[in-house]
Amino acid sequence: DQQVKQNSPSLSVQEGRISILNCDYTNSMFDYFLWYKKYPAEGPTFLISISSIKDKNEDGRFTVFLNKSAKHLSLHIVPSQPGDSAVYFCAASVTNFGNEKLTFGTGTRLTIIP
Amino acid sequence: DTAVSQTPKYLVTQMGNDKSIKCEQNLGHDTMYWYKQDSKKFLKIMFSYNNKELIINETVPNRFSPKSPDKAHLNLHINSLELGDSAVYFCASSQNRVEKLFFGSGTQLSVL
Repeated sequence: DQQVKQNSPSLSVQEGRISILNCDYTNSMFDYFLWYKKYPAEGPTFLISISSIKDKNEDGRFTVFLNKSAKHLSLHIVPSQPGDSAVYFCAASVTNFGNEKLTFGTGTRLTIIP
Repeated sequence: DTAVSQTPKYLVTQMGNDKSIKCEQNLGHDTMYWYKQDSKKFLKIMFSYNNKELIINETVPNRFSPKSPDKAHLNLHINSLELGDSAVYFCASSQNRVEKLFFGSGTQLSVL
């Protein structure tokens, strides 16, 4: 049962434009959502997160939007830069007093075209 | 300085062998994890340890045995390797909140 889904395996965006990565989830108990970025031959690195009590969180060029009713979140990168080319993983967790575990999507490969 | 380091980076072995992957973190974190990324790119938690105590065990076969000699180390030993064990294994650590996971660079295990 895939509780976190990233339906677009890949996305190509022109440098300077906006990149929008999407993620859907099925478990209504999820209350914390995260995006991780992964370069080849490296482990994922934390990018940005959002609590279910919010609908938007912004950090520099990165903004995450959460639509709880649609069980959907998205990551916006603007403006997109060549260094943003990577695989982006959406993840979610349920607060469980120290026993939280992340459920990951399968990732979207973002390619920024110079 | 590498925050979370795991060795080896690549591991090629025959079915039925026993192998270990080592992980060390120098971040002073209390919690360490093992994640597995399979051929379909799913990244799934296997185990988590908090201060050397097993917290999460995600119905992983008994052939997989994590060992945490201290809170800076979490090793993964795999007995009787099977073809389906081929995957990339990531070690990670965190202090308090799960979102601050720091991952190692992964160990690509290939079972022939």
